Amino acid sequence: DSGVTQTPKHLITATGQRVTLRCSPRSGDLSVYWYQQSLDQGLQFLIQYYNGEERAKGNILERFSAQQFPDLHSELNLSSLELGDSALYFCASSVSPGLSYEQYFGPGTRLTVT
Amino acid sequence: ELKVEQNPLFLSMQEGKNYTIYCNYSTTSDRLYWYRQDPGKSLESLFVLLSNGAVKQEGRLMASLDTKARLSTLHITAAVHDLSATYFCAVTHTGNQFYFGTGTSLTVIP
Repeated sequence: DSGVTQTPKHLITATGQRVTLRCSPRSGDLSVYWYQQSLDQGLQFLIQYYNGEERAKGNILERFSAQQFPDLHSELNLSSLELGDSALYFCASSVSPGLSYEQYFGPGTRLTVT
Repeated sequence: ELKVEQNPLFLSMQEGKNYTIYCNYSTTSDRLYWYRQDPGKSLESLFVLLSNGAVKQEGRLMASLDTKARLSTLHITAAVHDLSATYFCAVTHTGNQFYFGTGTSLTVIP
């Protein structure tokens, strides 16, 4: 158990809908990362937050947005869902990019868009 | 865009044998990561390599980094069945943008 929690574990929704994935980092970790894993695209970095502020952006679609709240949990919002958005979404946390680069991954949310 | 290539993509090896997984990347990187993923599971961080010539070892796995060649290797010594998993390398560029390799699916056969 990495100490990173993600909810829900599974999500099935229809095209065009909007969903929110939630991530709680390990206690004491200030940085949260979001990743997408699919058979087509492999593992892709989406976005990173550090202490509430966006730190780095990867291949995140405009239909997707994220934020990190004052209690350090993070949410990834996916809207106007398409079949191709079906994937595993992982979040990870780390203490701080400057102190420790090791990341701890949550169990993931499996999103199925029908 | 930074490209990360891993080879081989699939590796089947006998217990007790040694083998190396290679990770090449296309442009200068800040640091290099190795991860392990068991089927149906999340990722587990194995190593973080920060500088040229860095070498880290944990059990039967040893990772090294050559920044001049833009190459990292993950060496497996005397493989055991428990090492069967998919191994990913990833590099960071311009700060904290992560780029992942395609993964190497390792099967260790008794």
